[in-house]
Amino acid sequence: AQSVTQPDIHITVSEGASLELRCNYSYGATPYLFWYVQSPGQGLQLLLKYFSGDTLVQGIKGFEAEFKRSQSSFNLRKPSVHWSDAAEYFCAVGFITTSGTYKYIFGTGTRLKVLA
Amino acid sequence: DAGITQSPRHKVTETGTPVTLRCHQTENHRYMYWYRQDPGHGLRLIHYSYGVKDTDKGEVSDGYSVSRSKTEDFLLTLESATSSQTSVYFCAISSDRVRRVNTEAFFGQGTRLTVV
Repeated sequence: AQSVTQPDIHITVSEGASLELRCNYSYGATPYLFWYVQSPGQGLQLLLKYFSGDTLVQGIKGFEAEFKRSQSSFNLRKPSVHWSDAAEYFCAVGFITTSGTYKYIFGTGTRLKVLA
Repeated sequence: DAGITQSPRHKVTETGTPVTLRCHQTENHRYMYWYRQDPGHGLRLIHYSYGVKDTDKGEVSDGYSVSRSKTEDFLLTLESATSSQTSVYFCAISSDRVRRVNTEAFFGQGTRLTVV
């Protein structure tokens, strides 16, 4: 069955430090991969997505992610974190079901705290 | 921003009462989804729709029903609300251009439901 694992529930980094959020997925074929960010009381906003091609994808707000098929991973990175990046981050997989419909599975999220 | 409106945004209801949440889109997207968000569980799919009158269950569908009589509206009904259904509910949409289902989901702002 398809699944998404975000091993880190909470991460704390200092402002200006680098960031890496981990995401591992389980899916039999090449997945469609997404990272979303959620600020408190808000909906989810797409940061970036991977469908095919270059395995390093760039997103909004200075984020990037790298798809590694051999490790079934899609880790999110940012070289220098800003205080405004404090939020919850969700990794998601989009896939086509056996009946031909399309749906998304989300990880449990990683809450990022940024220290001034 | 994608045109997705959820109503109501907040609701408090009593155990055993029926509750209907509405998701309205102006994007003419084929797919619509209902998720619930709970601490430690991320987003879990309740039901989704892949067209008018076409719906399917997600991973946590017990106690919920849905209907989609028009492309733009997707209703989620709790037939008899229970305290375990206290949650934040998100509607999402995604498009399906011919043979290109690999697009991202766009989210509404959420409905906070409290069952007392």
